[in-house]
Amino acid sequence: QKEVEQNSGPLSVPEGAIASLNCTYSDRGSQSFFWYRQYSGKSPELIMSIYSNGDKEDGRFTAQLNKASQYVSLLIRDSQPSDSATYLCAVKGNTGKLIFGQGTTLQVKP
Amino acid sequence: DAGVTQSPTHLIKTRGQQVTLRCSPISGHKSVSWYQQVLGQGPQFIFQYYEKEERGRGNFPDRFSARQFPNYSSELNVNALLLGDSALYLCASSPWTGGTEAFFGQGTRLTVV
Repeated sequence: QKEVEQNSGPLSVPEGAIASLNCTYSDRGSQSFFWYRQYSGKSPELIMSIYSNGDKEDGRFTAQLNKASQYVSLLIRDSQPSDSATYLCAVKGNTGKLIFGQGTTLQVKP
Repeated sequence: DAGVTQSPTHLIKTRGQQVTLRCSPISGHKSVSWYQQVLGQGPQFIFQYYEKEERGRGNFPDRFSARQFPNYSSELNVNALLLGDSALYLCASSPWTGGTEAFFGQGTRLTVV
């Protein structure tokens, strides 16, 4: 079992729709959870961090965390073609090491 | 404010050679971590340094080594390069270790031929 799992996709949504990206993790001791966006050929860019159960909203992005289910999700509202990228879920324990999933490719079609 | 800077941005090396990659963290950040990302995969943890001390090491061979300098910048060295070392090497900057956010530099694209 991988430590952090994501569906590689591609996930295709029409412009203006809600994109839902999901991630599960295996280490119950994980404390911090992050979503990074990575455009092709570029480095990962931090877009959301979440540390406690529940929802965290930032603009069009909402991160959701459920530690009991070991599940993290990212919702992107009003998806735009510029949101087309690979979204990486990352988990940290108390060691400070980031453990990444393989990423989900999102395609937003005009 | 300057973000995380890495150099060089691209590099081509021959099998068996050695390479040194450099990273300057965000001002005020004392922790630097290195990651390797091969095409189609998420980044894999290589090393973490904090206050010039190694705080974590990933599952990479001894050909990989790193260090952190008093100004918190860092170098990653890879000896005896293999074709499989071809990847994007990423440096991440954090204020300290633990659960804080990490910010990546633009990466160094290493190609081994």
